[in-house]
Amino acid sequence: DSGVVQSPRHIIKEKGGRSVLTCIPISGHSNVVWYQQTLGKELKFLIQHYEKVERDKGFLPSRFSVQQFDDYHSEMNMSALELEDSAMYFCASSLVTGPSDYTFGSGTRLLVI
Amino acid sequence: GDSVTQTEGLVTLTEGLPVMLNCTYQTAYSTFLFWYVQHLNEAPKLLLKSSTDNKRTEHQGFHATLHKSSSSFHLQKSSAQLSDSALYYCALDYGGSGNKLIFGTGTLLSVKP
Repeated sequence: DSGVVQSPRHIIKEKGGRSVLTCIPISGHSNVVWYQQTLGKELKFLIQHYEKVERDKGFLPSRFSVQQFDDYHSEMNMSALELEDSAMYFCASSLVTGPSDYTFGSGTRLLVI
Repeated sequence: GDSVTQTEGLVTLTEGLPVMLNCTYQTAYSTFLFWYVQHLNEAPKLLLKSSTDNKRTEHQGFHATLHKSSSSFHLQKSSAQLSDSALYYCALDYGGSGNKLIFGTGTLLSVKP
């Protein structure tokens, strides 16, 4: 079990640009959520998918879209990047929805310049 | 609305002294509370998950008791170790559905020799 795998680990983009972040959940985990961590502290819920269906949305900007695929991996497409999008982006997975224990990936650090 | 409050942004302790990190919450639902620990440049990791009301849960030397009467889930440890230095998040399972966690703002624990 390699845990939750996120790629890339670090990325630098220019303002107005685009980026794609990938999350591969633990094998068998169909519940995937995304969080944004800014200023090294606050974790904000962005979106949740379960069994390839969006179940809940939080602070996800309209410039971002997230999709979960047949193998349950998830991709976050980010467009029209703004400086304030600079943050760590974590995804986490769990086996089922419900009071679950999430396993977090190591995160992607996005810097928008 | 649902929320989690961690009143201490930074707690500095001398090694060997007891640890207590505060967490209170507000929710209209019967739910679970969690403690996550995040070491520098790492992903958040689950430390504790609440059990039933007034029941203590323990893991890796840390313990917490869910008190619904006071809406609290404080994290405690009898003797701090240098390796305990990290960011600690209290989180609420929003709506009890497990769809998303609402995180507190985090408490940075710094343990000094």
